[in-house]
Amino acid sequence: DTGVSQNPRHKITKRGQNVTFRCDPISEHNRLYWYRQTLGQGPEFLTYFQNEAQLEKSRLLSDRFSAERPKGSFSTLEIQRTEQGDSAMYLCASRGGTGEKLFFGSGTQLSVL
Amino acid sequence: ELKVEQNPLFLSMQEGKNYTIYCNYSTTSDRLYWYRQDPGKSLESLFVLLSNGAVKQEGRLMASLDTKARLSTLHITAAVHDLSATYFCAVVGGLSTNMRFGAGTRLTVKP
Repeated sequence: DTGVSQNPRHKITKRGQNVTFRCDPISEHNRLYWYRQTLGQGPEFLTYFQNEAQLEKSRLLSDRFSAERPKGSFSTLEIQRTEQGDSAMYLCASRGGTGEKLFFGSGTQLSVL
Repeated sequence: ELKVEQNPLFLSMQEGKNYTIYCNYSTTSDRLYWYRQDPGKSLESLFVLLSNGAVKQEGRLMASLDTKARLSTLHITAAVHDLSATYFCAVVGGLSTNMRFGAGTRLTVKP
């Protein structure tokens, strides 16, 4: 059990560029979550996968955001045509089928210039 | 829509003192969580509370849940500097399976 792994840790991009983040959950955790956190705020839910199925999406997730979990293992979160308001920490978390705890990764800090 | 409110948002305490952080939520909840976050770091799970009257303790921290009042508390006993961090409560409830977080309580423990 190596924990939830996210990369890159930091991403600086120019407005209008596309970015993609990767999350590797704890192995055999079938539930995977993406959250976004801005400075001084609690994490906000973006989307949730159970295995490869995307079961829930927040209204915060505009059509510029897309997430995938193609084989029910790792997940990617892509943001197209980034805007300065997308600057935030993007957190991934995973949970096992019968487990109650949600384990968070270290996050990817996105800065859009 | 499920809403989660924490108070206070900022808390400065002296070492050795006791204090309580409150977490109120707006709809029926299945589970309530407490997390700790250090600056620039991710979230560390502290407690998971699953039923009315649940109480859990770890070191100087104790969490409780009153589902009828829709209230959870995180009590700090004899605070030490190492407890300085931001504490979040999070609730799973309503029609959603996802976790909704409070705004966090930024705790500073001073010598």
